[in-house]
Order: sequence, then C-alpha cells, then structure tokens
Amino acid sequence: DAKTTQPNSMESNEEEPVHLPCNHSTISGTDYIHWYRQLPSQGPEYVIHGLTSNVNNRMASLAIAEDRKSSTLILHRATLRDAAVYYCILSLLNSGNTPLVFGKGTRLSVIA
Amino acid sequence: GAVVSQHPSWVICKSGTSVKIECRSLDFQATTMFWYRQFPKQSLMLMATSNEGSKATYEQGVEKDKFLINHASLTLSTLTVTSAHPEDSSFYICSARRARLAVETQYFGPGTRLLVL
Repeated sequence: DAKTTQPNSMESNEEEPVHLPCNHSTISGTDYIHWYRQLPSQGPEYVIHGLTSNVNNRMASLAIAEDRKSSTLILHRATLRDAAVYYCILSLLNSGNTPLVFGKGTRLSVIA
Repeated sequence: GAVVSQHPSWVICKSGTSVKIECRSLDFQATTMFWYRQFPKQSLMLMATSNEGSKATYEQGVEKDKFLINHASLTLSTLTVTSAHPEDSSFYICSARRARLAVETQYFGPGTRLLVL
C-alpha cells in the first residue's frame, strides 16, 4: 500500500474548524483516499473517502490537492466528541481481500 | 450504516486458558472479514484475513495455531486465542468489508479488550 504521512498530534478549540493534513506523494491513479477515526476504546469509524474531487458529507469535508499528493480532512466545527485519532489511508478501487493498513494517524485534542 | 458487532466486549482470563471472540455483520453479508490487534498507544495491526468457507490468511509473525480463525458463515467470524498468556493482552478489533457504491468500505466492530492474568 502507498504510504501516508500525518502529524502525530493536533489541537483545536471547540467550535472552531479543524484541518487535518495528509501527505501521500506516492499515490497511484487507482488509489482512493479514505479517512477513518478512532475514538477512545472503540473500533475505527468511517469518516469519508474520495478519489479526485472534493467530497462533503454530514461528518466532514475532504479536500484533495489537484496533483492528489496530499489531502485535508476538514471538521467544520470541532466538538469534544471529535477528539480521536484520525487515520488517512490509501486503498485500491475494488480492492477485494486487501485490508486497510493503518499508520499512526493524528491524535486530535479538542479544548473546551 | 452497516453494523459490525463483537462479543464479548471485554474478557479477563487466567493464563493458559482459551478465549473465543465473535464478530458478526448484522445487516449485510461479508465474504471477507479482518482481525486486527491494538496495543496501548499504538495503531491497529492486521493479524489475519478471514474468508468465508476457506482458511484464513495470517500476517507474518502471527501464529496461526495460537490465533484460530473460523469464518463459517457470511455473517460470523470467530477468533480463538488458545493458551492465552499475559503478552496476548490487547484490544482485538474485527472488520468486515461491504460493497458501498463502487468502493468497498470496511466497517469495524467495537473491539474486545482481553486481559490475561
């Protein structure tokens, strides 16, 4: 799997936007960009995914650079419940039996 | 969204005993399930890929005779930690893959915390 690089930790104030960066300079043309998050003592939770265009859903937005070598997960208004480890993962389209491979992720702290 | 459950959510056992963890996909069929292990302050580490009706594929360094995986149906996979020892204490997480539009998305269970005394 192509490697991703994320900051180890970030901090945000409650109700402010958060931009979580991810570098994936070796991404291939068929790699999707997935974001998952893991709240304390829980399994990972799907957040969003994209290929080339920016994506929005009820949880977050995903901004993908034009060259696809980086992406940013945007939480529009951070809440205390958003404190988690956020993982940026690349995965092939229709990857069949290939599992998601987790890096170290970014630990997001939200300050009240 | 798709739901994956695990049972039990936590277990404490004595060294030398075996522990079985169940993983179920509640509202979809999963031909492939994955088992991960997570130690404190670390990321998830893939242990094995479980395919319905066939033998599991284990990652390098994971003992297949110690971590027995059975995927007997399209909604159930089990992980049995045989002769558990304190170093097996960890957070075990299963995952199931479901086709979502044209991109397969992995859904994760809530995890099982194992403490071996």
